[in-house]
Amino acid sequence: AQKITQTQPGMFVQEKEAVTLDCTYDTSDPSYGLFWYKQPSSGEMIFLIYQGSYDQQNATEGRYSLNFQKARKSANLVISASQLGDSAMYFCAMRENTGGFKTIFGAGTRLFVKA
Amino acid sequence: DTEVTQTPKHLVMGMTNKKSLKCEQHMGHRAMYWYKQKAKKPPELMFVYSYEKLSINESVPSRFSPECPNSSLLNLHLHALQPEDSALYLCASSQDVSFNQPQHFGDGTRLSIL
Repeated sequence: AQKITQTQPGMFVQEKEAVTLDCTYDTSDPSYGLFWYKQPSSGEMIFLIYQGSYDQQNATEGRYSLNFQKARKSANLVISASQLGDSAMYFCAMRENTGGFKTIFGAGTRLFVKA
Repeated sequence: DTEVTQTPKHLVMGMTNKKSLKCEQHMGHRAMYWYKQKAKKPPELMFVYSYEKLSINESVPSRFSPECPNSSLLNLHLHALQPEDSALYLCASSQDVSFNQPQHFGDGTRLSIL
């Protein structure tokens, strides 16, 4: 079974609008971390935001926020005020305390920002 | 600018060549990683080094040979590669291997095997 599921292969958003990228995860480990990474077409992977399983509040980093719903096992990324430079592939990822140093990546969502 | 530096950015090599990919970080991180990424796919873990010791080898063929000379450097030695090894190779580092540590990636090396 997939541990990280991103159901949106591609998304379009109008510039300056907000967009939500979906991510659900599956783990039985009580201690885990959830991450979002951005990968522009140039190739580099950019760390955006982190949410720990014990964190009570949703993580925020500038225009990025993570909508963490633990009971539903979802960790959706919200990008506010989209910019043309936000066009990229976005990966949701998880690391488990018992995961043996591994990061599990979702399949990714390609975001297109329209002018 | 990324804090993890990978060289070269592009590499074209024949199947009989020997080459090396290099990765350097100066963030004081004690965990370093090699990933392979095919187009439109997520990265696949190849190797993990923790405190300069190889901790994970994800059943990678022996034609890929990692090396960690010190805490700041990570190399990937390539020999007798196959066309299917053409991919983007990403290096990453993290403070340590704890589950709550994000990984910081380099820009990658685009490798093409002729």
